[in-house]
Amino acid sequence: DGGITQSPKYLFRKEGQNVTLSCEQNLNHDAMYWYRQDPGQGLRLIYYSQIVNDFQKGDIAEGYSVSREKKESFPLTVTSAQKNPTAFYLCAASVGGSNPLHFGNGTRLTVT
Amino acid sequence: AQSVTQPDIHITVSEGASLELRCNYSYGATPYLFWYVQSPGQGLQLLLKYFSGDTLVQGIKGFEAEFKRSQSSFNLRKPSVHWSDAAEYFCAVAPYSGAGSYQLTFGKGTKLSVIP
Repeated sequence: DGGITQSPKYLFRKEGQNVTLSCEQNLNHDAMYWYRQDPGQGLRLIYYSQIVNDFQKGDIAEGYSVSREKKESFPLTVTSAQKNPTAFYLCAASVGGSNPLHFGNGTRLTVT
Repeated sequence: AQSVTQPDIHITVSEGASLELRCNYSYGATPYLFWYVQSPGQGLQLLLKYFSGDTLVQGIKGFEAEFKRSQSSFNLRKPSVHWSDAAEYFCAVAPYSGAGSYQLTFGKGTKLSVIP
């Protein structure tokens, strides 16, 4: 059954710690994305990757980092430099271009 | 740069009533347009998309949307709402380019509540 798996569903960290969110897809899609969702703010693009070993900053990349070593995986690291990291993070994939996105079920990160 | 406005933050309808969720976009050319639905704590699911052709598009779960170029709108409709339709709905726009930008711009969402 093809899809996008985000783990864990809930994540708790202390302020000042880096944390990595996992995103794996078996859809064989070239493009992958990370979005951040805050109440009443819609979705904001953090990073995206069109092909392996290449990625671009989105609208709110500061305080985040990514890697794309494999087509199936696009992990997101929330660094201690991110001033307000508590949010719902969504990973997505698409065949590329302006085609629809397929979303994972999200990871809710709480930093205290 | 493109932008999307969903004027209604929260809408409440009775089960069985009709529904229209508004979406206005700003973009210099013909865009690709999408509607997604999100249940609480879940990811987004594509309801329907408009790329070109017939301006009335049919989607899943009995939803439809109409592209009106003159009004820069892409409103979502359903003739009879079911309690399971309670969720948050997002309109999104992407540039009309198969090989260009990969960035969708989302509206801030409309939360739909359904009264039994």
